[in-house]
Amino acid sequence: AQSVTQLGSHVSVSEGALVLLRCNYSSSVPPYLFWYVQYPNQGLQLLLKYTSAATLVKGINGFEAEFKKSETSFHLTKPSAHMSDAAEYFCAVSDRGGADGLTFGKGTHLIIQP
Amino acid sequence: DAGVIQSPRHEVTEMGQEVTLRCKPISGHNSLFWYRQTMMRGLELLIYFNNNVPIDDSGMPEDRFSAKMPNASFSTLKIQPSEPRDSAVYFCASSRLAGGTLGEQFFGPGTRLTVL
Repeated sequence: AQSVTQLGSHVSVSEGALVLLRCNYSSSVPPYLFWYVQYPNQGLQLLLKYTSAATLVKGINGFEAEFKKSETSFHLTKPSAHMSDAAEYFCAVSDRGGADGLTFGKGTHLIIQP
Repeated sequence: DAGVIQSPRHEVTEMGQEVTLRCKPISGHNSLFWYRQTMMRGLELLIYFNNNVPIDDSGMPEDRFSAKMPNASFSTLKIQPSEPRDSAVYFCASSRLAGGTLGEQFFGPGTRLTVL
């Protein structure tokens, strides 16, 4: 069975500081990995996805994530936080590239301090 | 392009009543997913369809829950009878089975259900 663990239910950073949101996965097959963002009272929006083409994946809004098989990790980073980045972030895993359902982590609430 | 459309956006009902949630996927998408989001359990997959056929309904919590997809542009999730523990935000998502956005799921805005 596949699963995702997101370390830290809340992460607080200052505006302009590095954002690091952690995600570790468990999968019996080479995984497909996703990061989604959810703004208050909205649906989820895809930030980026890993589909084995490249280990460093660039997404929207300046975010990127690196797939590390040896660490079973897919951490999300952004060099400089902006106030508009404040939201809930979800890591998700799929065995079939998302064609099947996604298994989500519990989410990390990102707080940006002015 | 219109995104995934869900209705109603908010539903308040009393325990024991029937609730029907509706979803219109993005045109051209041939996979549809229903998820539930609660504080306690996070985001959970309830059921998904490929080409209007239910593929995996193992996430449907009880027989009180049922989902249908009569055609490529419409799906319903029904709860009968509803219970307070069904209170949650229900999301519908759609995706393509082939093409450049293969596997990328596009989410609707959700339906916030409150069962009193």
